[in-house]
Amino acid sequence: GAVVSQHPSWVICKSGTSVKIECRSLDFQATTMFWYRQFPKQSLMLMATSNEGSKATYEQGVEKDKFLINHASLTLSTLTVTSAHPEDSSFYICSASWGLAGRIGELFFGEGSRLTVL
Amino acid sequence: GDSVTQMEGPVTLSEEAFLTINCTYTATGYPSLFWYVQYPGEGLQLLLKATKADDKGSNKGFEATYRKETTSFHLEKGSVQVSDSAVYFCALSGSYNTDKLIFGTGTRLQVFP
Repeated sequence: GAVVSQHPSWVICKSGTSVKIECRSLDFQATTMFWYRQFPKQSLMLMATSNEGSKATYEQGVEKDKFLINHASLTLSTLTVTSAHPEDSSFYICSASWGLAGRIGELFFGEGSRLTVL
Repeated sequence: GDSVTQMEGPVTLSEEAFLTINCTYTATGYPSLFWYVQYPGEGLQLLLKATKADDKGSNKGFEATYRKETTSFHLEKGSVQVSDSAVYFCALSGSYNTDKLIFGTGTRLQVFP
């Protein structure tokens, strides 16, 4: 199956700094990628939909100025957590879509990135 | 809005036992339903799906039937193996069948020899 890779797998940063997480589709072109946040023992919460070449669509309640998403190419989307604070500590996951009508909902997920803000 | 409810885990079983993980959903329209599995240290991966009522998705010995009358999509396997130990997520597509999935909270399965 298709492969999606996230980097870094884990990162620790100081409060007030910015952190960038990359999500790459390694063997297919992904017109659409999704970013999620997962809290312990909770579901994946969709943060935003990232479309190549256009602005991301954020879910209600997600601060677009804090969580900057860029999808500059068909194989790379980035999530930048700006001015991170301890409450931003979480597990961030990306996924990519085939974008094909017959494969709706069949997503390929990265391994996740654990962010710890001190 | 649309939502997915899964049974809480962990589910602990001995090898070769029968597995059921319950999943119910609330949705307008006719969503597609999915089970994703996350093995330790790996990303979620699609296990099976069903796109309409009474469809049965199956893969690797796992099955789930899309029951519209009970709004359920329970995951079953007749004989689990230690290698099936993982977290299982039930999910549905949005009401207009988009790639935006709504996930349940996940159920951890632990299988012991």
